Amino acid sequence: AQTVTQSQPEMSVQEAETVTLSCTYDTSESDYYLFWYKQPPSRQMILVIRQEAYKQQNATENRFSVNFQKAAKSFSLKISDSQLGDAAMYFCAYRTTNDMRFGAGTRLTVKP
Amino acid sequence: DAGITQSPRHKVTETGTPVTLRCHQTENHRYMYWYRQDPGHGLRLIHYSYGVKDTDKGEVSDGYSVSRSKTEDFLLTLESATSSQTSVYFCAISESTIGTRARNNYGYTFGSGTRLTVV
Repeated sequence: AQTVTQSQPEMSVQEAETVTLSCTYDTSESDYYLFWYKQPPSRQMILVIRQEAYKQQNATENRFSVNFQKAAKSFSLKISDSQLGDAAMYFCAYRTTNDMRFGAGTRLTVKP
Repeated sequence: DAGITQSPRHKVTETGTPVTLRCHQTENHRYMYWYRQDPGHGLRLIHYSYGVKDTDKGEVSDGYSVSRSKTEDFLLTLESATSSQTSVYFCAISESTIGTRARNNYGYTFGSGTRLTVV
């Protein structure tokens, strides 16, 4: 079974600084997709960024980028120029045919 | 997201009572999912649907049943609620799935969640 591991339950970053959230996954499939979701206190799940496994180029979305290491099964999220609004729970997720598997989440605190 | 709504947003119920949560979508997406969110576990799949009257079990399906009589509605029922089912429940929709070759990002759109407390 596919599993997703986020080894950092909590992280903090100073406003305007950069932070990296870690994620590893386990799979035997070759075709899959990876996602990072943000969950602010409002509870809404918001898609931050996605990565297709067949693409070697790392995905970027404005201040958010990933470091996708397929051989190592690693998918970390980098947030540059952190803002107070980035404070939230962040979930790494792996998309299978019938399901999306989530990590336990990393709570990010942004200090002013 | 206005394309998917969950009801109710909050509910408190007593142990042993039946509970039904509703998910309604206006996107005409084929795939619908019910997840529960618990601290330390992230989101875990309860049941999913790949079409009207087509459903299947997920990772944590015991104690839950689902029904999908229309494309737009996906109901989650707790036949006899227990305290272990206290959780936040999320519905999600997806236009397609991997392998269908649809031009889609395969991401999910989530509802705003239902906080269920079983006392």
